[in-house]
Amino acid sequence: EAQLVESGGGLVQPGGSLRLSCAASGFTFSNYWMSWVRQAPGKGLEWVANIKQDGSDKYYADSVKGRFTISRDNAKNSLYLQMNSLRAEDTAVYYCGRGGGNFDCWGQGTLVTVSS
Amino acid sequence: DIQMTQSPSSLSASVGDRVTITCRASQSIKNYLIWYQQKPGKAPKFLIYAASTLQSGVPSRFSGSGSGTDFTLTISSLQPEDFATYYCQQNYSIPRTFGPGTKVDIK
Repeated sequence: EAQLVESGGGLVQPGGSLRLSCAASGFTFSNYWMSWVRQAPGKGLEWVANIKQDGSDKYYADSVKGRFTISRDNAKNSLYLQMNSLRAEDTAVYYCGRGGGNFDCWGQGTLVTVSS
Repeated sequence: DIQMTQSPSSLSASVGDRVTITCRASQSIKNYLIWYQQKPGKAPKFLIYAASTLQSGVPSRFSGSGSGTDFTLTISSLQPEDFATYYCQQNYSIPRTFGPGTKVDIK
């Protein structure tokens, strides 16, 4: 059974950095596009970024472009999100999702809180 | 960017009711439309893709229809476990965009 487990969330000050990880198991990770989707407290879902199977193509939401970097390590079955210059509005639960458009498997999410 | 809207934003229904949720895209997305179900404190669950194809394991009381700009999600007979928030999402173009959600609660 496919499984995704996020980690790395926490409390960070505005302007700070954080790196999220997503560990994949139960499927051939290198065969899939992967994505990050976030959800601010009490709000809806917002796509953040996605990455092609071999890491050669990456796309970002305008709200995070230039500040966030998506990457992957297929040897470790892992997806990452490096978040720099964090803002209060980046506060959210961050989910990793399998797929570049159809997110057919989701992790449980990791909470990122940006506050002083 | 393609904007997604949903109506209603919330509804109250009883077990056994037929429920219909509408999703509209700001431009044609052909059938590149997905529906998710989310319960409080949980990750979204993938229900329907390509506007009308049920994901494996999803009960047949769920159905989707539409193409172009107008789509619907129908629950033919609402069950207690169906009380949740439902989101539509387009995967026609980047950025992927979601509707604001429709909360289905108990009347």
